[in-house]
Amino acid sequence: SQTIHQWPATLVQPVGSPLSLECTVEGTSNPNLYWYRQAAGRGLQLLFYSVGIGQISSEVPQNLSASRPQDRQFILSSKKLLLSDSGFYLCACLPGWELFFGEGSRLTVL
Amino acid sequence: KQEVTQIPAALSVPEGENLVLNCSFTDSAIYNLQWFRQDPGKGLTSLLLIQSSQREQTSGRLNASLDKSSGRSTLYIAASQPGDSATYLCAVRASTTSGTYKYIFGTGTRLKVLA
Repeated sequence: SQTIHQWPATLVQPVGSPLSLECTVEGTSNPNLYWYRQAAGRGLQLLFYSVGIGQISSEVPQNLSASRPQDRQFILSSKKLLLSDSGFYLCACLPGWELFFGEGSRLTVL
Repeated sequence: KQEVTQIPAALSVPEGENLVLNCSFTDSAIYNLQWFRQDPGKGLTSLLLIQSSQREQTSGRLNASLDKSSGRSTLYIAASQPGDSATYLCAVRASTTSGTYKYIFGTGTRLKVLA
């Protein structure tokens, strides 16, 4: 079965600093990969999804970008963080019919 | 545009009660529906997956039903325990404009089971 690793688990960054969150998947090949953000008291917002290496689709315009340099690696980035980027970021993997999640990365922008 | 709603937003019950969590969606053209559990500060754990052709799925004390025509799903938890305390989320699988799939989530029901 697949395992999804996310790091760092917790991150505190100043406004204007860059960001890189990494997600790697084990136990499956060529999955669909997703980045979600969960703000306090709100539901999961889909940010990006990818069906393969180098293929990224964005759901909402924002300060973030995503990349998929390898089949099982998905990276969320920003050049300059905003206060509104704070939240809980979740990577998800769809190897077949069922969606699986990593443990998440909590980002606080000060 | 698909919208997913979960009612109630929060629920507190005594241990041992049977309970039902509700999930409704606006567009019946879904591929499947999945129920998740989220503990505080953690990722989501998949509980049950119901394909669009199925009416229900069971796993232990959990039973999920799906009525596509009415846009509703319920998660039934039998004999609730304090360890069931968590937020429960439902998600529907829909197609994207690029021909792949995405999951649209409800805002969840926060369950507390009192010992």
